[in-house]
Amino acid sequence: EVQLEESGGGLVHPGRSLRLSCAASGFTFDDSAMHWVRQAPGKGLEWVSGLTWDSGRIGYADSVKGRFTVSRDNAKNFLFLQMNSLRAEDTALYFCAKDRGYSSFLGLEYWGQGTLVTVSS
Amino acid sequence: SSELTQDPTVSVALGQTVRITCQGDSLRSYYASWYQQKPGQAPILVIYGRNNRPSGIPDRFSGSNSGNTASLTITGAQAEDEADYYCESRDSGGYQYVFGPGTKVNVL
Repeated sequence: EVQLEESGGGLVHPGRSLRLSCAASGFTFDDSAMHWVRQAPGKGLEWVSGLTWDSGRIGYADSVKGRFTVSRDNAKNFLFLQMNSLRAEDTALYFCAKDRGYSSFLGLEYWGQGTLVTVSS
Repeated sequence: SSELTQDPTVSVALGQTVRITCQGDSLRSYYASWYQQKPGQAPILVIYGRNNRPSGIPDRFSGSNSGNTASLTITGAQAEDEADYYCESRDSGGYQYVFGPGTKVNVL
Protein backbone atom coordinates (compact mmCIF):
# COMPACT_ATOMS: atom_id res chain seq x y z
CA GLU A 1 0.00 0.00 0.00
CA VAL A 2 1.37 3.38 -1.02
CA GLN A 3 1.76 5.73 1.93
CA LEU A 4 2.88 9.34 1.94
CA GLU A 5 3.22 11.02 5.32
CA GLU A 6 4.00 14.71 5.52
CA SER A 7 5.51 16.41 8.55
CA GLY A 8 7.19 19.64 9.56
CA GLY A 9 4.28 22.05 9.35
CA GLY A 10 3.43 24.54 12.04
CA LEU A 11 3.09 28.20 12.96
CA VAL A 12 5.92 30.43 11.75
CA HIS A 13 6.48 34.18 11.63
CA PRO A 14 6.68 36.00 8.29
CA GLY A 15 10.20 36.01 6.89
CA ARG A 16 11.21 32.83 8.71
CA SER A 17 11.94 29.36 7.30
CA LEU A 18 10.41 25.92 7.57
CA ARG A 19 11.35 22.52 6.18
CA LEU A 20 8.68 20.01 5.23
CA SER A 21 9.34 16.28 4.92
CA CYS A 22 7.41 13.51 3.24
CA ALA A 23 8.10 9.89 4.17
CA ALA A 24 7.21 7.52 1.34
CA SER A 25 6.56 3.79 1.53
CA GLY A 26 4.81 1.02 -0.34
CA PHE A 27 6.40 1.71 -3.74
CA THR A 28 9.80 2.07 -5.36
CA PHE A 29 10.53 5.67 -4.47
CA ASP A 30 13.27 6.25 -7.03
CA ASP A 31 10.89 5.08 -9.79
CA SER A 32 8.65 8.12 -9.29
CA ALA A 33 8.66 11.84 -9.82
CA MET A 34 7.38 13.60 -6.70
CA HIS A 35 5.60 16.86 -5.97
CA TRP A 36 4.34 19.33 -3.40
CA VAL A 37 0.86 20.79 -3.85
CA ARG A 38 -0.76 23.24 -1.44
CA GLN A 39 -4.27 24.36 -0.63
CA ALA A 40 -4.97 27.57 1.24
CA PRO A 41 -7.95 27.43 3.61
CA GLY A 42 -11.17 27.33 1.60
CA LYS A 43 -9.31 27.67 -1.69
CA GLY A 44 -8.29 25.48 -4.61
CA LEU A 45 -5.23 23.38 -5.30
CA GLU A 46 -1.94 25.04 -6.24
CA TRP A 47 1.03 23.05 -7.52
CA VAL A 48 4.16 24.22 -5.69
CA SER A 49 7.09 22.18 -6.93
CA GLY A 50 8.10 18.84 -8.37
CA LEU A 51 11.13 16.85 -9.44
CA THR A 52 11.93 13.79 -11.48
CA TRP A 53 13.24 10.56 -9.97
CA ASP A 54 16.85 11.63 -10.25
CA SER A 55 16.27 15.34 -9.49
CA GLY A 56 17.41 15.96 -13.05
CA ARG A 57 14.40 18.13 -13.82
CA ILE A 58 12.92 20.39 -11.16
CA GLY A 59 10.04 22.82 -11.45
CA TYR A 60 8.60 25.56 -9.26
CA ALA A 61 5.49 27.66 -9.32
CA ASP A 62 6.23 31.32 -10.01
CA SER A 63 4.80 32.18 -6.58
CA VAL A 64 7.57 30.29 -4.76
CA LYS A 65 10.50 30.44 -7.18
CA GLY A 66 13.63 31.69 -5.46
CA ARG A 67 12.21 31.08 -1.98
CA PHE A 68 11.42 27.35 -1.91
CA THR A 69 13.74 24.44 -2.71
CA VAL A 70 12.58 20.88 -3.33
CA SER A 71 14.85 17.89 -2.85
CA ARG A 72 14.70 14.16 -2.33
CA ASP A 73 16.70 11.41 -0.65
CA ASN A 74 16.21 8.24 -2.67
CA ALA A 75 18.25 6.18 -0.20
CA LYS A 76 15.87 7.02 2.65
CA ASN A 77 12.63 7.47 0.64
CA PHE A 78 12.08 11.09 1.63
CA LEU A 79 10.90 14.18 -0.19
CA PHE A 80 11.65 17.63 1.24
CA LEU A 81 10.56 21.21 0.77
CA GLN A 82 12.74 23.96 2.20
CA MET A 83 10.66 27.10 2.53
CA ASN A 84 12.44 30.41 3.12
CA SER A 85 11.21 33.99 3.38
CA LEU A 86 7.73 32.78 4.23
CA ARG A 87 4.78 35.07 3.64
CA ALA A 88 1.22 35.12 4.94
CA GLU A 89 0.03 33.95 1.53
CA ASP A 90 2.05 30.74 1.94
CA THR A 91 -0.41 29.65 4.64
CA ALA A 92 -1.88 26.39 3.40
CA LEU A 93 -2.17 22.65 3.77
CA TYR A 94 0.83 21.19 1.96
CA PHE A 95 0.36 17.83 0.24
CA CYS A 96 3.06 15.46 -0.91
CA ALA A 97 2.09 13.62 -4.09
CA LYS A 98 3.49 10.78 -6.17
CA ASP A 99 3.57 11.18 -9.93
CA ARG A 100 2.63 8.43 -12.36
CA GLY A 101 5.84 9.16 -14.24
CA TYR A 102 9.45 9.04 -13.22
CA SER A 103 11.30 11.13 -15.82
CA SER A 104 8.28 13.16 -16.86
CA PHE A 105 5.16 14.49 -15.18
CA LEU A 106 2.11 12.35 -15.97
CA GLY A 107 -0.42 13.01 -13.21
CA LEU A 108 -0.55 12.75 -9.42
CA GLU A 109 -1.73 9.25 -8.57
CA TYR A 110 -1.24 9.20 -4.80
CA TRP A 111 -1.47 11.95 -2.21
CA GLY A 112 -0.65 12.28 1.46
CA GLN A 113 -3.03 13.84 3.96
CA GLY A 114 -1.07 17.06 4.19
CA THR A 115 0.73 19.14 6.79
CA LEU A 116 -0.55 22.58 7.75
CA VAL A 117 1.70 25.62 7.48
CA THR A 118 0.51 28.85 9.06
CA VAL A 119 2.50 32.03 8.51
CA SER A 120 1.47 34.71 10.96
CA SER A 121 2.94 37.19 13.37
CA SER B 1 2.69 30.42 -16.90
CA SER B 2 -0.64 29.54 -18.49
CA GLU B 3 -4.00 29.31 -16.76
CA LEU B 4 -6.91 26.88 -16.75
CA THR B 5 -10.52 27.96 -16.36
CA GLN B 6 -13.47 25.98 -14.98
CA ASP B 7 -17.08 26.77 -14.17
CA PRO B 8 -17.36 27.35 -10.40
CA THR B 9 -20.46 25.21 -9.83
CA VAL B 10 -22.57 22.70 -11.70
CA SER B 11 -25.60 20.75 -10.55
CA VAL B 12 -26.91 17.40 -11.71
CA ALA B 13 -29.93 15.34 -10.78
CA LEU B 14 -29.24 11.96 -9.27
CA GLY B 15 -28.68 9.42 -12.04
CA GLN B 16 -28.27 12.01 -14.76
CA THR B 17 -25.16 13.00 -16.73
CA VAL B 18 -22.97 16.01 -16.07
CA ARG B 19 -20.03 17.38 -18.04
CA ILE B 20 -17.36 19.55 -16.43
CA THR B 21 -15.13 21.55 -18.74
CA CYS B 22 -11.65 22.99 -18.42
CA GLN B 23 -10.11 25.44 -20.86
CA GLY B 24 -6.57 26.61 -21.37
CA ASP B 25 -3.83 27.01 -23.94
CA SER B 26 -1.70 24.28 -22.35
CA LEU B 27 -4.43 21.76 -23.21
CA ARG B 28 -3.48 22.10 -26.87
CA SER B 29 -0.17 20.42 -25.96
CA TYR B 30 -0.93 18.22 -22.94
CA TYR B 31 -3.76 16.03 -21.77
CA ALA B 32 -5.60 17.07 -18.64
CA SER B 33 -5.78 15.03 -15.49
CA TRP B 34 -8.83 15.28 -13.26
CA TYR B 35 -9.02 15.07 -9.48
CA GLN B 36 -11.95 14.63 -7.12
CA GLN B 37 -11.75 16.18 -3.66
CA LYS B 38 -14.30 15.79 -0.90
CA PRO B 39 -14.32 18.05 2.19
CA GLY B 40 -11.49 17.29 4.59
CA GLN B 41 -9.90 14.74 2.27
CA ALA B 42 -6.93 14.64 -0.04
CA PRO B 43 -7.61 14.76 -3.79
CA ILE B 44 -8.03 11.55 -5.78
CA LEU B 45 -6.96 11.11 -9.40
CA VAL B 46 -9.99 10.05 -11.46
CA ILE B 47 -8.88 10.56 -15.08
CA TYR B 48 -5.49 10.88 -16.75
CA GLY B 49 -4.12 10.85 -20.26
CA ARG B 50 -6.43 10.52 -23.25
CA ASN B 51 -9.18 8.88 -21.14
CA ASN B 52 -7.76 6.56 -18.52
CA ARG B 53 -9.12 5.67 -15.09
CA PRO B 54 -6.90 4.54 -12.21
CA SER B 55 -7.81 1.27 -10.57
CA GLY B 56 -10.90 1.61 -8.40
CA ILE B 57 -12.42 4.58 -10.22
CA PRO B 58 -15.93 3.73 -11.48
CA ASP B 59 -16.47 3.61 -15.23
CA ARG B 60 -19.13 6.32 -14.99
CA PHE B 61 -16.19 8.74 -15.04
CA SER B 62 -14.76 9.52 -18.48
CA GLY B 63 -12.60 12.19 -20.06
CA SER B 64 -12.26 13.81 -23.47
CA ASN B 65 -10.13 16.46 -25.12
CA SER B 66 -10.61 18.83 -28.04
CA GLY B 67 -8.42 21.76 -28.89
CA ASN B 68 -7.98 23.90 -25.78
CA THR B 69 -10.78 22.17 -23.87
CA ALA B 70 -10.78 19.09 -21.67
CA SER B 71 -13.96 17.58 -20.27
CA LEU B 72 -14.84 15.23 -17.45
CA THR B 73 -18.19 13.46 -17.79
CA ILE B 74 -20.01 11.64 -15.02
CA THR B 75 -22.64 9.37 -16.58
CA GLY B 76 -25.30 8.44 -14.05
CA ALA B 77 -24.14 10.67 -11.19
CA GLN B 78 -24.37 9.21 -7.71
CA ALA B 79 -24.73 10.99 -4.40
CA GLU B 80 -21.13 10.12 -3.55
CA ASP B 81 -19.93 12.02 -6.61
CA GLU B 82 -20.76 15.32 -4.94
CA ALA B 83 -17.34 16.93 -4.59
CA ASP B 84 -14.94 19.50 -5.99
CA TYR B 85 -13.30 18.55 -9.27
CA TYR B 86 -10.01 20.03 -10.44
CA CYS B 87 -8.41 19.78 -13.84
CA GLU B 88 -4.65 19.89 -14.14
CA SER B 89 -2.24 20.15 -17.03
CA ARG B 90 1.44 20.29 -17.59
CA ASP B 91 2.89 23.64 -18.50
CA SER B 92 6.10 25.42 -19.53
CA GLY B 93 7.96 22.62 -21.24
CA GLY B 94 6.31 19.87 -19.28
CA TYR B 95 8.02 20.25 -15.91
CA GLN B 96 5.42 22.35 -14.19
CA TYR B 97 1.80 21.67 -13.38
CA VAL B 98 -1.10 24.08 -13.35
CA PHE B 99 -4.47 23.43 -11.73
CA GLY B 100 -7.82 24.84 -12.67
CA PRO B 101 -9.79 26.71 -9.99
CA GLY B 102 -12.11 23.77 -9.44
CA THR B 103 -15.77 22.98 -10.09
CA LYS B 104 -18.14 22.13 -7.29
CA VAL B 105 -20.55 19.41 -8.40
CA ASN B 106 -23.85 19.29 -6.57
CA VAL B 107 -25.90 16.10 -6.95
CA LEU B 108 -29.56 16.92 -6.41
